[in-house]
Amino acid sequence: GESVGLHLPTLSVQEGDNSIINCAYSNSASDYFIWYKQESGKGPQFIIDIRSNMDKRQGQRVTVLLNKTVKHLSLQIAATQPGDSAVYFCAEIPSGTYKYIFGTGTRLKVLA
Amino acid sequence: GAVVSQHPSWVICKSGTSVKIECRSLDFQATTMFWYRQFPKQSLMLMATSNEGSKATYEQGVEKDKFLINHASLTLSTLTVTSAHPEDSSFYICSARTQGRGSPLHFGNGTRLTVT
Repeated sequence: GESVGLHLPTLSVQEGDNSIINCAYSNSASDYFIWYKQESGKGPQFIIDIRSNMDKRQGQRVTVLLNKTVKHLSLQIAATQPGDSAVYFCAEIPSGTYKYIFGTGTRLKVLA
Repeated sequence: GAVVSQHPSWVICKSGTSVKIECRSLDFQATTMFWYRQFPKQSLMLMATSNEGSKATYEQGVEKDKFLINHASLTLSTLTVTSAHPEDSSFYICSARTQGRGSPLHFGNGTRLTVT
């Protein structure tokens, strides 16, 4: 299930199930989006990116979906594994800028 | 490829002292590097943009005299926290990209600063 903590929402999924992490971005002018995974005590690690001229992009076990109409980005992880447990951040870059705007993050907990 | 190395990974210092954090791009050149700060269970906050050979650009609310940034070469940027105080305790992360704005940022593993 999904719950909202003091600062970080948490998504708990069973090992082997698919995970869907959602992100509402803020700027309709954003044209580049990235998902990052951050493990405890480490820096964010690039997972997948997508440009605004696309609505779906697939990687290895991951898929990013972009819905510009409602300014929504999602990350789907297939067959979730214990090693997927981490905090996931979406980031957007508004057109004409170089600065990333990071989302608040979602903690993914994989249950054995 | 695209490895960003940050050093040290953690540091404890006394209040009033200064601490230098290094950020290196190991296998690519970076004219621009970015310094972020992250509080526990929170997102990343951009502190400043480090430009090789010129002054850094600081975000609103970030004291440039407290957080000194030097980007002396295409592979090294440093962040010095001057006269550190306990409220400066945080996780500092640097990043760089290999190409233009349409390529992802690659992050270092961060530096945990604790000021006692």
